[in-house]
Amino acid sequence: KQEVTQIPAALSVPEGENLVLNCSFTDSAIYNLQWFRQDPGKGLTSLLLIQSSQREQTSGRLNASLDKSSGRSTLYIAASQPGDSATYLCAPRDFGNEKLTFGTGTRLTIIP
Amino acid sequence: DGGITQSPKYLFRKEGQNVTLSCEQNLNHDAMYWYRQDPGQGLRLIYYSQIVNDFQKGDIAEGYSVSREKKESFPLTVTSAQKNPTAFYLCASSITGTVYGYTFGSGTRLTVV
Repeated sequence: KQEVTQIPAALSVPEGENLVLNCSFTDSAIYNLQWFRQDPGKGLTSLLLIQSSQREQTSGRLNASLDKSSGRSTLYIAASQPGDSATYLCAPRDFGNEKLTFGTGTRLTIIP
Repeated sequence: DGGITQSPKYLFRKEGQNVTLSCEQNLNHDAMYWYRQDPGQGLRLIYYSQIVNDFQKGDIAEGYSVSREKKESFPLTVTSAQKNPTAFYLCASSITGTVYGYTFGSGTRLTVV
């Protein structure tokens, strides 16, 4: 059964810093991995989708990497802004079914 | 604009009552999913459906029921058998196939009073 761990659980950094969020998963047989953002009391917003054959995916100030063989993904946020404050969730999509498995997320606070 | 609509946003249920949460999508997606989110826990899959008139149990299906009579709609009923129904419920959809991601709705917060 796939298990997903996100470290750290919470992170506070000053505005303008670059930062990295980590995601590890136990079963490397995945189709792809999706990073989401969740604001308090809201639904999930998709940030990046990285296929199992890709190493990186970029959107604006965000860059996601995937090392499927070691079961790791990172989300890099450049030049952080207060509006980036949210909980970030990663979810690999398991091979053989259509289901996503979620970690508990990293709660990010950007200090102005 | 295409998307997923969940209603209501907030729902209050008395002990022993069944309640139904609505999820509608106009993205022409084949697959639809229901997740439950509790504080400090990751999202957990309740039920999912990949085609009309068919659905499968997820990891925590006990006390819940679903139907998929139309491609656009996937309502979730929280029955009185669900012992701890207070949670945030999220509906999602995707195109069947591995290259596509999930799209989520804005969620329904259910509280038992």
